[in-house]
Amino acid sequence: QKEVEQNSGPLSVPEGAIASLNCTYSDRGSQSFFWYRQYSGKSPELIMSIYSNGDKEDGRFTAQLNKASQYVSLLIRDSQPSDSATYLCAVEGNTPLVFGKGTRLSVIA
Amino acid sequence: GAGVSQSPSNKVTEKGKDVELRCDPISGHTALYWYRQSLGQGLEFLIYFQGNSAPDKSGLPSDRFSAERTGGSVSTLTIQRTQQEDSAVYLCASSLWPGRSYEQYFGPGTRLTVT
Repeated sequence: QKEVEQNSGPLSVPEGAIASLNCTYSDRGSQSFFWYRQYSGKSPELIMSIYSNGDKEDGRFTAQLNKASQYVSLLIRDSQPSDSATYLCAVEGNTPLVFGKGTRLSVIA
Repeated sequence: GAGVSQSPSNKVTEKGKDVELRCDPISGHTALYWYRQSLGQGLEFLIYFQGNSAPDKSGLPSDRFSAERTGGSVSTLTIQRTQQEDSAVYLCASSLWPGRSYEQYFGPGTRLTVT
């Protein structure tokens, strides 16, 4: 069974700080990795895709992938209260995406 | 452009009744997925359709659940003889296939309450 693990949180960071969200996955053959943001009562929204080892930056968001260690992370710079949400990690699997249960982020003003 | 749409947005039904939930994917997306999310829980995969291939039904929790996709576009998820444990948000997503086939875009969901 292909698995994606995330710390459920909550992860609390002060406004302006860097939030670091981590995800590990079990299938060494996975090639595609995604981060979704889900506000309370809303549906998941795709915010980052990463396919190669290393860093990918988009605005305040940076996704980091290390296939050898089977982890993917999301950094949010200059965190804002509006970033408070649950962040879901998704990995190419056999469904074809396997989702983690998400990490709840709370940015404190 | 238009995103994934779902209807109804909310559905309250009595235990034992049948319900139909509808999903209209993004135009041009050939893959369509159904998920379920219970309160405070993660996403539970139900079924997915890709083009004209047979659907992957491996996530359907019981034979009370079925789904169809007509004309390669609109999909309907049907739950027969609803039970209270079926109460959840049902989410539909679509993706472009081939190409960025794993980038799934979600609709707003249908909140189902079984009383």
